[in-house]
Amino acid sequence: DAMVIQNPRYQVTQFGKPVTLSCSQTLNHNVMYWYQQKSSQAPKLLFHYYDKDFNNEADTPDNFQSRRPNTSFCFLDIRSPGLGDAAMYLCATSGSGTSTDTQYFGPGTRLTVL
Amino acid sequence: SQQGEEDPQALSIQEGENATMNCSYKTSINNLQWYRQNSGRGLVHLILIRSNEREKHSGRLRVTLDTSKKSSSLLITASRAADTASYFCATDAVPNNNDMRFGAGTRLTVKP
Repeated sequence: DAMVIQNPRYQVTQFGKPVTLSCSQTLNHNVMYWYQQKSSQAPKLLFHYYDKDFNNEADTPDNFQSRRPNTSFCFLDIRSPGLGDAAMYLCATSGSGTSTDTQYFGPGTRLTVL
Repeated sequence: SQQGEEDPQALSIQEGENATMNCSYKTSINNLQWYRQNSGRGLVHLILIRSNEREKHSGRLRVTLDTSKKSSSLLITASRAADTASYFCATDAVPNNNDMRFGAGTRLTVKP
């Protein structure tokens, strides 16, 4: 089945140790999103790619970077994780990126920072 | 920044009862979507309502939109234990119809 896959589902890292989360999709969608969701809060958009065009949210810390080497894959790099970066990280895709379009979410990666 | 605000933050009902969740937003919108999230999982799209629509139905779901009050409601009829989840509204902001912003969600618990 076409889907959005996130690996790993659970990631533990140490304070300040770089970590990479991955997302892949078989939907062939143009747009891929990364959200951060803390407990009992709204998913917060960090950035998204429209094809190869990177769109960063104004309040996304520089500590967060992203790469999209091809249509199928997108990575979230956290250069120096702090305790406040512990959260669920959700990847999503959509075909057109417009607000009439459904976003398809992966199951998320729960990041723990020790 | 967050656009939608859901209320209540948490709702607990018995199986078979109806559940109503509300979403209010600050600026004019083109479209509003509702999503569901089971605990520890990704979000799943439920329904889209456009700014020129007042009501939409999908199975046991009924969504209304009142643009004059900048609010939407999601009604789940004849709830089931499997409806237990968090429900989020997401809105864009006129004139930009690209970026969606999620509210903080309503946590629904349906007791068997």
